[in-house]
This record gives sequence, structure tokens and C-alpha cells, in this order.
Amino acid sequence: DIQMTQSPSSLSASVGDRVTITCRASQSISKYLNWYQQRPGKAPKVLIYAASTLQSGVPSRFSGSGFGTDFTLTISSLQPEDLATYYCQQSYSTPHTFGQGTKLENK
Amino acid sequence: QVQLQESGPGLVKPSETLSLTCTVSGGSISNYYWTWIRQPPGKGLESIGYIYYTGSTNYNPSLKSRVTISVDTSKNEVSLRLSSVTAADTAVYYCARRVVVISATSRNYYYMDVWGKGTTVTVSS
Repeated sequence: DIQMTQSPSSLSASVGDRVTITCRASQSISKYLNWYQQRPGKAPKVLIYAASTLQSGVPSRFSGSGFGTDFTLTISSLQPEDLATYYCQQSYSTPHTFGQGTKLENK
Repeated sequence: QVQLQESGPGLVKPSETLSLTCTVSGGSISNYYWTWIRQPPGKGLESIGYIYYTGSTNYNPSLKSRVTISVDTSKNEVSLRLSSVTAADTAVYYCARRVVVISATSRNYYYMDVWGKGTTVTVSS
């Protein structure tokens, strides 16, 4: 299985901050990388697929980049509703494994 | 708008079989993949497996010997069965629609665009 490692595991930030979360794959996965947001007690929601394509309806303050083994999710200006846990997921080979998550908290 | 609803027993005894149903409303089950994902308390997400509406399946090797996913297109339902459960199978179980984005390369892109709210299953005697 491809291992996905996110950093940091948790992050404190303030409204308006620029936030970056990284995800590293144990082998090259080209652009086969998705990002999900999970608010407390809720199901995950897709933000970005194919490393950098914004899912319809997702605010433009979210962006993704990367190729191969290293990827980033950036929130350009943190909003209160963005406090959540974020997961990366590779879709290069099955099983489509997830990172362990990055919990974004209020500073 | 497509909605997914998981249902099934919230408590299962060790060594027994966990059975869940995902009912799809507001759209057809056809022409899509449907996946099951679980999340143990306080932990991350784990893919269990997925099924195409035609019935072809793919399971996580770590669970393959215990998992069966099936589809009933007449009822717009996807089902999950997990046998010989232990406390380690305690989790929130989600069903989700898995969409395909056709790629110019040999591999297509896949992601889950619609999720159910999830159902909590506890394994305990």
C-alpha cells in the first residue's frame, strides 16, 4: 500500500492567516491526490482532486499543488468555518489510502 | 440532489457479522462506483472497498477476507457485510459515491463527491 504522511498533525492559526498543509506519498503518485475537509461530527467533503482541481462549489481561497510525492493544500485567508481536520488521499493505486489528518485549530 | 443514508445495527457482538445498507436517493445508482469508508473513534479514514453498479468489486487487502460489498439496482441500495468482527472494527461507517474523471493518460482520476452522514457501529458483547 502507498503510505500518505501529512504534516503537521495539528496546526493553530487565526482568522485571516495563510495556512499550508503538506502531504507526502511513499512513492510517486503523479497528480493522483485528493484533499478532503472534515468538520467535527460530519462526513468528509472533497475540496480538491487531481492535486490542484477545485471541486465545484468550494471557495477559491482553497488551492492545491504538487506532483510526484509532495503536495500542499493552502488556505489563502483562513475563515472560521475552515476550522476542521483535513485529509489527503491518493487515488493512484488501490487501496486509495488516506493521510492521518491535520487538525486545524483556532489560535 | 443525490443523498446517501447508511443504516444498520449500531451494536454488533464480537465474532458476528456487521451488515449495513446505503440507500441512494435523488439519483440513480447506475453508472457510478460506490464505496465504503470507516473511521475508528478519534482516528483517520480507511477505505474498505468499492463496487461498480454492475457488481464488480475491489476490496482493501487488509479486510478482503472478511468483506462483501453488493449492489441492488432495483432498490438503489449498496450493502456492506463484514464478518468475524472484533473491537477493532468499532467505527463510523460511511458510504460515498466515487466519481471518475477521465484522464488523457492511462489512469483516470477518482474521488468521493457525495457522502452519507455515517453510522456508528460498536462491537461489544
